[in-house]
Amino acid sequence: SQQGEEDPQALSIQEGENATMNCSYKTSINNLQWYRQNSGRGLVHLILIRSNEREKHSGRLRVTLDTSKKSSSLLITASRAADTASYFCATGLYTGANSKLTFGKGITLSVRP
Amino acid sequence: DAGITQSPRHKVTETGTPVTLRCHQTENHRYMYWYRQDPGHGLRLIHYSYGVKDTDKGEVSDGYSVSRSKTEDFLLTLESATSSQTSVYFCAISDSSGGHQETQYFGPGTRLLVL
Repeated sequence: SQQGEEDPQALSIQEGENATMNCSYKTSINNLQWYRQNSGRGLVHLILIRSNEREKHSGRLRVTLDTSKKSSSLLITASRAADTASYFCATGLYTGANSKLTFGKGITLSVRP
Repeated sequence: DAGITQSPRHKVTETGTPVTLRCHQTENHRYMYWYRQDPGHGLRLIHYSYGVKDTDKGEVSDGYSVSRSKTEDFLLTLESATSSQTSVYFCAISDSSGGHQETQYFGPGTRLLVL
């Protein structure tokens, strides 16, 4: 079963507006990551936040993590048409020497010029 | 795409035939993964490898096998393809940081159609 569940499933905004995407998960994690996928391409890593962190920034991206609520949010500020893509959250859990990511189903973001 | 190639990029095959997909990396990363992506399901892990000849099953491993005889190559085999295996297949790689891999880097994907 999927660990991460993104919300909303689809989001349409005007260029220049902020886009907020949410992710909830069910079990303990070591980190939570966000990835972007442009149409017909592979996923690209955006940002990673560890379980002992609450907020991280990277350029126009801001991610928060609330482990008590088992939720994360990704904020893209001043959106651009080029931000149009699918966004996935992925939870990372270490088990011994191995670790795996479990991906959510993704959010489709459309940024209108 | 972080030195990851997948071949073939597109394949059409018939039900019951064996199919092998190849993932090749030039990054010397320890971990390699095979995912499938289907509408409404996101990415699901099929198999992964944590070293040469070290592999383990993922969430949807039935009907698939893998092999890793060299660090740079990870092969995914559909022993007898079925229409339910029509999908886009992604390979990913990762290295270890502090003993644990974290960020994954994805290949461009292989579109497989099973008729």
